[in-house]
Amino acid sequence: NAGVTQTPKFRVLKTGQSMTLLCAQDMNHEYMYWYRQDPGMGLRLIHYSVGEGTTAKGEVPDGYNVSRLKKQNFLLGLESAAPSQTSVYFCASSYSVAQKDNEQFFGPGTRLTVL
Amino acid sequence: AQKITQTQPGMFVQEKEAVTLDCTYDTSDPSYGLFWYKQPSSGEMIFLIYQGSYDQQNATEGRYSLNFQKARKSANLVISASQLGDSAMYFCATSPPTSYGKLTFGQGTILTVHP
Repeated sequence: NAGVTQTPKFRVLKTGQSMTLLCAQDMNHEYMYWYRQDPGMGLRLIHYSVGEGTTAKGEVPDGYNVSRLKKQNFLLGLESAAPSQTSVYFCASSYSVAQKDNEQFFGPGTRLTVL
Repeated sequence: AQKITQTQPGMFVQEKEAVTLDCTYDTSDPSYGLFWYKQPSSGEMIFLIYQGSYDQQNATEGRYSLNFQKARKSANLVISASQLGDSAMYFCATSPPTSYGKLTFGQGTILTVHP
Protein backbone atom coordinates (compact mmCIF):
# COMPACT_ATOMS: atom_id res chain seq x y z
CA ASN A 1 0.00 0.00 0.00
CA ALA A 2 1.97 3.00 -1.30
CA GLY A 3 -0.59 5.67 -0.33
CA VAL A 4 -0.18 8.80 -2.45
CA THR A 5 2.76 8.97 -4.82
CA GLN A 6 3.96 11.83 -6.99
CA THR A 7 6.12 11.83 -10.09
CA PRO A 8 8.63 13.42 -10.54
CA LYS A 9 10.16 14.46 -7.21
CA PHE A 10 12.23 17.27 -8.71
CA ARG A 11 12.14 19.13 -12.01
CA VAL A 12 13.79 22.17 -13.55
CA LEU A 13 12.06 23.83 -16.49
CA LYS A 14 12.82 26.76 -18.70
CA THR A 15 10.23 29.49 -19.13
CA GLY A 16 7.68 28.44 -21.74
CA GLN A 17 8.24 24.71 -21.43
CA SER A 18 5.40 22.38 -20.55
CA MET A 19 5.19 19.45 -18.19
CA THR A 20 2.77 17.16 -16.40
CA LEU A 21 2.90 16.16 -12.75
CA LEU A 22 1.40 12.78 -11.96
CA CYS A 23 -0.35 11.90 -8.74
CA ALA A 24 -1.44 8.35 -8.01
CA GLN A 25 -3.28 6.90 -5.00
CA ASP A 26 -4.03 3.27 -4.23
CA MET A 27 -6.58 3.85 -1.46
CA ASN A 28 -9.63 4.02 -3.73
CA HIS A 29 -10.23 7.61 -2.64
CA GLU A 30 -12.90 9.59 -4.41
CA TYR A 31 -11.49 13.07 -3.76
CA MET A 32 -8.16 14.40 -4.93
CA TYR A 33 -6.48 17.79 -4.66
CA TRP A 34 -3.48 19.71 -5.96
CA TYR A 35 -1.86 22.32 -3.73
CA ARG A 36 1.19 24.51 -4.10
CA GLN A 37 3.38 25.60 -1.24
CA ASP A 38 5.32 28.84 -1.36
CA PRO A 39 7.49 30.26 1.44
CA GLY A 40 5.49 32.19 4.03
CA MET A 41 2.14 31.46 2.39
CA GLY A 42 1.20 27.98 3.47
CA LEU A 43 -0.50 25.64 1.00
CA ARG A 44 -2.96 26.94 -1.56
CA LEU A 45 -5.41 24.87 -3.56
CA ILE A 46 -4.90 24.83 -7.33
CA HIS A 47 -7.53 22.36 -8.58
CA TYR A 48 -9.48 19.49 -7.15
CA SER A 49 -11.58 16.54 -8.22
CA VAL A 50 -14.62 14.97 -6.57
CA GLY A 51 -14.56 11.87 -8.71
CA GLU A 52 -13.37 10.25 -11.92
CA GLY A 53 -13.96 12.51 -14.88
CA THR A 54 -14.65 15.63 -12.80
CA THR A 55 -12.38 18.57 -11.97
CA ALA A 56 -12.89 22.03 -10.51
CA LYS A 57 -10.87 25.17 -9.88
CA GLY A 58 -9.39 26.02 -6.54
CA GLU A 59 -7.93 29.23 -5.19
CA VAL A 60 -5.03 29.66 -7.67
CA PRO A 61 -5.91 27.81 -10.91
CA ASP A 62 -4.42 30.18 -13.51
CA GLY A 63 -1.68 28.64 -15.63
CA TYR A 64 -2.61 25.06 -14.69
CA ASN A 65 -4.86 22.37 -16.10
CA VAL A 66 -5.85 19.04 -14.62
CA SER A 67 -7.39 15.76 -15.67
CA ARG A 68 -8.81 12.78 -13.81
CA LEU A 69 -9.38 10.10 -16.44
CA LYS A 70 -8.90 7.30 -13.91
CA LYS A 71 -10.02 7.32 -10.30
CA GLN A 72 -6.55 6.61 -8.99
CA ASN A 73 -4.73 9.29 -11.00
CA PHE A 74 -4.86 13.06 -10.94
CA LEU A 75 -2.65 14.92 -13.41
CA LEU A 76 -1.52 18.53 -13.13
CA GLY A 77 -0.32 20.21 -16.31
CA LEU A 78 1.64 23.37 -16.94
CA GLU A 79 1.23 24.37 -20.58
CA SER A 80 3.75 27.24 -20.58
CA ALA A 81 5.77 27.40 -17.39
CA ALA A 82 6.55 30.76 -15.78
CA PRO A 83 9.03 31.61 -13.00
CA SER A 84 6.04 32.42 -10.75
CA GLN A 85 5.18 28.72 -10.86
CA THR A 86 8.38 27.81 -9.04
CA SER A 87 7.00 26.05 -5.99
CA VAL A 88 6.55 22.76 -4.19
CA TYR A 89 3.47 20.93 -5.43
CA PHE A 90 1.53 18.54 -3.22
CA CYS A 91 -1.16 16.12 -4.22
CA ALA A 92 -3.64 14.89 -1.62
CA SER A 93 -6.58 12.52 -1.49
CA SER A 94 -9.41 11.69 0.88
CA TYR A 95 -12.15 9.07 0.92
CA SER A 96 -14.86 11.33 2.28
CA VAL A 97 -15.68 14.98 2.59
CA ALA A 98 -17.73 14.37 5.71
CA GLN A 99 -16.10 16.61 8.26
CA LYS A 100 -14.67 14.07 10.65
CA ASP A 101 -13.51 11.77 7.88
CA ASN A 102 -11.90 14.41 5.75
CA GLU A 103 -8.34 13.59 6.72
CA GLN A 104 -6.35 14.25 3.59
CA PHE A 105 -3.42 12.00 2.74
CA PHE A 106 -0.59 13.88 1.09
CA GLY A 107 2.02 12.80 -1.39
CA PRO A 108 5.72 13.56 -0.83
CA GLY A 109 5.67 16.66 -3.03
CA THR A 110 7.31 17.75 -6.29
CA ARG A 111 9.85 20.56 -6.19
CA LEU A 112 9.59 22.53 -9.43
CA THR A 113 11.95 25.31 -10.48
CA VAL A 114 11.22 27.44 -13.53
CA LEU A 115 14.18 29.41 -14.85
CA ALA B 1 -14.45 32.63 2.35
CA GLN B 2 -12.35 31.17 5.09
CA LYS B 3 -9.16 32.61 6.49
CA ILE B 4 -6.65 31.06 8.87
CA THR B 5 -4.10 33.15 10.76
CA GLN B 6 -1.06 31.77 12.52
CA THR B 7 0.66 34.72 14.14
CA GLN B 8 3.78 32.93 15.40
CA PRO B 9 6.33 32.51 12.58
CA GLY B 10 8.62 30.61 14.95
CA MET B 11 8.45 29.07 18.40
CA PHE B 12 11.07 27.56 20.66
CA VAL B 13 10.50 25.05 23.43
CA GLN B 14 12.67 23.02 25.75
CA GLU B 15 12.49 19.26 25.44
CA LYS B 16 9.82 17.72 27.74
CA GLU B 17 8.03 21.06 28.11
CA ALA B 18 4.59 21.84 26.71
CA VAL B 19 4.05 24.34 23.90
CA THR B 20 1.00 26.04 22.42
CA LEU B 21 0.80 26.99 18.75
CA ASP B 22 -1.79 29.63 17.98
CA CYS B 23 -4.41 29.52 15.26
CA THR B 24 -7.33 31.85 14.67
CA TYR B 25 -9.87 31.48 11.91
CA ASP B 26 -12.47 33.55 10.20
CA THR B 27 -15.45 31.87 8.61
CA SER B 28 -19.10 32.66 8.07
CA ASP B 29 -20.07 29.00 7.84
CA PRO B 30 -22.07 27.73 10.84
CA SER B 31 -20.34 24.36 10.62
CA TYR B 32 -16.70 23.68 9.86
CA GLY B 33 -13.76 21.44 10.61
CA LEU B 34 -10.37 22.44 11.94
CA PHE B 35 -7.21 20.47 11.23
CA TRP B 36 -3.57 20.54 12.23
CA TYR B 37 -0.81 19.15 10.04
CA LYS B 38 2.90 18.69 10.73
CA GLN B 39 5.56 19.14 8.08
CA PRO B 40 9.03 17.89 9.09
CA SER B 41 12.13 19.03 7.26
CA SER B 42 11.75 16.02 4.97
CA GLY B 43 8.71 17.78 3.49
CA GLU B 44 5.79 15.39 3.89
CA MET B 45 2.49 16.55 5.38
CA ILE B 46 1.33 14.55 8.40
CA PHE B 47 -2.20 14.81 9.78
CA LEU B 48 -2.24 15.36 13.55
CA ILE B 49 -5.68 16.21 14.86
CA TYR B 50 -9.21 17.24 13.90
CA GLN B 51 -11.85 19.34 15.69
CA GLY B 52 -15.42 19.75 14.52
CA SER B 53 -17.12 23.04 15.24
CA TYR B 54 -20.02 21.29 16.99
CA ASP B 55 -17.87 18.93 19.03
CA GLN B 56 -18.50 19.51 22.71
CA GLN B 57 -15.09 18.36 23.85
CA ASN B 58 -11.64 19.44 22.77
CA ALA B 59 -9.96 16.89 20.53
CA THR B 60 -6.97 14.93 21.80
CA GLU B 61 -4.59 12.55 20.04
CA GLY B 62 -1.80 11.27 22.21
CA ARG B 63 0.45 14.22 23.11
CA TYR B 64 -1.56 16.55 20.89
CA SER B 65 -4.64 18.39 22.05
CA LEU B 66 -6.65 21.16 20.50
CA ASN B 67 -7.71 24.09 22.67
CA PHE B 68 -10.90 25.06 20.83
CA GLN B 69 -12.53 28.35 21.82
CA LYS B 70 -15.41 28.85 19.43
CA ALA B 71 -16.43 32.31 20.62
CA ARG B 72 -12.87 33.56 20.10
CA LYS B 73 -12.54 31.63 16.83
CA SER B 74 -9.32 30.06 17.97
CA ALA B 75 -8.06 26.49 17.63
CA ASN B 76 -4.67 26.34 19.31
CA LEU B 77 -2.56 23.19 19.18
CA VAL B 78 -1.02 22.07 22.47
CA ILE B 79 1.90 19.66 22.36
CA SER B 80 2.72 18.16 25.72
CA ALA B 81 6.11 16.74 26.71
CA SER B 82 7.89 18.02 23.60
CA GLN B 83 10.36 15.76 21.88
CA LEU B 84 13.23 16.58 19.54
CA GLY B 85 11.27 14.93 16.74
CA ASP B 86 8.52 17.52 17.16
CA SER B 87 10.74 20.12 15.50
CA ALA B 88 8.86 20.90 12.30
CA MET B 89 6.52 23.33 10.57
CA TYR B 90 2.92 23.15 11.83
CA PHE B 91 -0.08 24.20 9.77
CA CYS B 92 -3.61 24.93 10.90
CA ALA B 93 -6.34 24.46 8.28
CA THR B 94 -10.10 24.66 7.98
CA SER B 95 -12.71 23.08 5.75
CA PRO B 96 -16.40 24.00 5.70
CA PRO B 97 -18.87 21.20 4.95
CA THR B 98 -19.89 22.60 1.56
CA SER B 99 -16.37 22.81 0.19
CA TYR B 100 -15.87 19.20 -1.00
CA GLY B 101 -13.13 18.84 1.54
CA LYS B 102 -11.01 21.70 0.27
CA LEU B 103 -8.59 22.88 2.93
CA THR B 104 -7.61 26.49 3.59
CA PHE B 105 -4.25 26.64 5.33
CA GLY B 106 -2.55 29.18 7.56
CA GLN B 107 1.00 30.38 6.97
CA GLY B 108 2.49 27.91 9.39
CA THR B 109 4.61 28.04 12.56
CA ILE B 110 8.12 26.64 12.75
CA LEU B 111 8.65 24.84 16.05
CA THR B 112 12.16 24.17 17.31
CA VAL B 113 12.63 21.85 20.28
CA HIS B 114 15.87 22.37 22.20
CA PRO B 115 17.50 19.53 24.16
